[in-house]
Amino acid sequence: AQSVTQLGSHVSVSEGALVLLRCNYSSSVPPYLFWYVQYPNQGLQLLLKYTSAATLVKGINGFEAEFKKSETSFHLTKPSAHMSDAAEYFCAVSAALISNFGNEKLTFGTGTRLTIIP
Amino acid sequence: EAGVTQFPSHSVIEKGQTVTLRCDPISGHDNLYWYRRVMGKEIKFLLHFVKESKQDESGMPNNRFLAERTGGTYSTLKVQPAELEDSGVYFCASSQVSRRSYNEQFFGPGTRLTVL
Repeated sequence: AQSVTQLGSHVSVSEGALVLLRCNYSSSVPPYLFWYVQYPNQGLQLLLKYTSAATLVKGINGFEAEFKKSETSFHLTKPSAHMSDAAEYFCAVSAALISNFGNEKLTFGTGTRLTIIP
Repeated sequence: EAGVTQFPSHSVIEKGQTVTLRCDPISGHDNLYWYRRVMGKEIKFLLHFVKESKQDESGMPNNRFLAERTGGTYSTLKVQPAELEDSGVYFCASSQVSRRSYNEQFFGPGTRLTVL
């Protein structure tokens, strides 16, 4: 069984400030971890993913996340927030392919809405 | 290349009516997933097709929901009869089938269903 907890349904940061969105996961098998972003009236877009290679993962738009197995965390960060980062962000987990071949269904957290203050 | 498309974008129906949602995956993607987000809650997996075969429908809420994928191309999700708790955003995603470590799922914009 897998689950994801995102702390903070709403986060506000000033433009130019650090963005930190928290995600903790639970998984009984080796996990793959993801961050998705949803802009208004659009579908979910993959920001970055961890699939058991490097623990520090860089994604699009300057975002990165670090897989910490000991803390079961996969927090999303960006050094300097931009107005265009305002969106809803979802953390998700999937069972690693080797243990669940063929079905890569995602288990999502409840999402964090990021607001950027000018 | 066209992305995943979903139709309609919005649907408002009354309790007891029937609604059919459609998803067109990216051409060549044999994996097709349906997810649902009830307001304020997490996005939840409903079911997974590989081509026309249902591989996992463990997330389907009850037998009022019927998903099909004729010919392994587009998919429909029918809700009959609709209940108030079925309101939410229904997402479709598709991906390739391969033995790579991970096959990225590409999501459609979703269908917002409101049951009155």
